[in-house]
Amino acid sequence: SAVISQKPSRDICQRGTSLTIQCQVDSQVTMMFWYRQQPGQSLTLIATANQGSEATYESGFVIDKFPISRPNLTFSTLTVSNMSPEDSSIYLCSVRSGGAGKNIQYFGAGTRLSVL
Amino acid sequence: AQSVTQLGSHVSVSEGALVLLRCNYSSSVPPYLFWYVQYPNQGLQLLLKYTTGATLVKGINGFEAEFKKSETSFHLTKPSAHMSDAAEYFCAVSETAAGNKLTFGGGTRVLVKP
Repeated sequence: SAVISQKPSRDICQRGTSLTIQCQVDSQVTMMFWYRQQPGQSLTLIATANQGSEATYESGFVIDKFPISRPNLTFSTLTVSNMSPEDSSIYLCSVRSGGAGKNIQYFGAGTRLSVL
Repeated sequence: AQSVTQLGSHVSVSEGALVLLRCNYSSSVPPYLFWYVQYPNQGLQLLLKYTTGATLVKGINGFEAEFKKSETSFHLTKPSAHMSDAAEYFCAVSETAAGNKLTFGGGTRVLVKP
């Protein structure tokens, strides 16, 4: 398994500002993922972040809005840029652990973002 | 493309009663299937998974799920509900062993009545 820490756990931000969310894992992992959970909805994958390469974004998400860094095998950040109230969501970091074929993703507790 | 449908966004059960949460998936390849639970103000916790082999999968906290390929289903059950089972449950599918992407269902919120 993997233990994932996210910071901040929650924040209230003003429209037009940016917030950077940090994700720290207690072991080295190749693949890290960022998800968004809008109020009352399920999780949607924003992007996949591999160390040493550019993040891969899903349809509907762009790097200018959600820039991601992956400086090493235990850490990643997601920035929510130029925020609007529509960005109010829970943002979750996850990692794939267990080796090829295991295909288990472990999730952090999430960052609860409210944009005013 | 994959998709997951969870029937019923809310389920109410009495303590001690059977919990049954329905999940149907669509996948063009043999799927990898998962159930996650999310307790209030917490992240997702893996309950159980199906990759290959035995189609009846046992997970934590007394939950189990059965993969039925002919029905494209992966329903989650627990024989006797406990108050601590009140949470939101998500079914998810991945098409690849590499686990590059999980597609989640809409979630089912379980309320347990005393």
